[in-house]
Amino acid sequence: DQQVKQNSPSLSVQEGRISILNCDYTNSMFDYFLWYKKYPAEGPTFLISISSIKDKNEDGRFTVFLNKSAKHLSLHIVPSQPGDSAVYFCAASEVTGGFKTIFGAGTRLFVKA
Amino acid sequence: GAGVSQTPSNKVTEKGKYVELRCDPISGHTALYWYRQSLGQGPEFLIYFQGTGAADDSGLPNDRFFAVRPEGSVSTLKIQRTERGDSAVYLCASSLTLSGSAGEQFFGPGTRLTVL
Repeated sequence: DQQVKQNSPSLSVQEGRISILNCDYTNSMFDYFLWYKKYPAEGPTFLISISSIKDKNEDGRFTVFLNKSAKHLSLHIVPSQPGDSAVYFCAASEVTGGFKTIFGAGTRLFVKA
Repeated sequence: GAGVSQTPSNKVTEKGKYVELRCDPISGHTALYWYRQSLGQGPEFLIYFQGTGAADDSGLPNDRFFAVRPEGSVSTLKIQRTERGDSAVYLCASSLTLSGSAGEQFFGPGTRLTVL
């Protein structure tokens, strides 16, 4: 039972354009969402997060949008840079139930120069 | 400062053997997590420690898997009677648990376990 789904295994974007990575979840008890970025042979690194009391959080070129009614979140990267090429994982947790975090399968982003 | 470290970086073992994987979290981080990542998948939660106690071990696949954190810092993931299906990258992460927040997790580079 995949509680966090990233349906696009890969995405290719031209440098300077917007990258939009999508994530859907099924557990309505999730109340904290995170995006992690992973380069080969390294562990994931935290990128940005959002609490369920918000619908948007922005940090520089990265913005996360949360649509609770649709159980959907997205990560926007503007402008995309070649160094952004990595695997991006969406993750969710139910804070009131502890800090067990469920990850999606990831989307590999290619930013072409 | 030092990040999360994991040893060994690679471990090759034979089916049926016992293995121990070690994680050194960031100093001062009270929460420690173990995940398993198979090829093409995201990290799969195994167990979470708050201090010395396992707060949630619901992700451990069966009783061959066990983890300890006796002094609230270093943790060891132990796998008995390894099977080929245990082959994966085992990731450790640590975090400061903050009130009202799951807290950003800092991941180590992982231990790649191969069971022949």
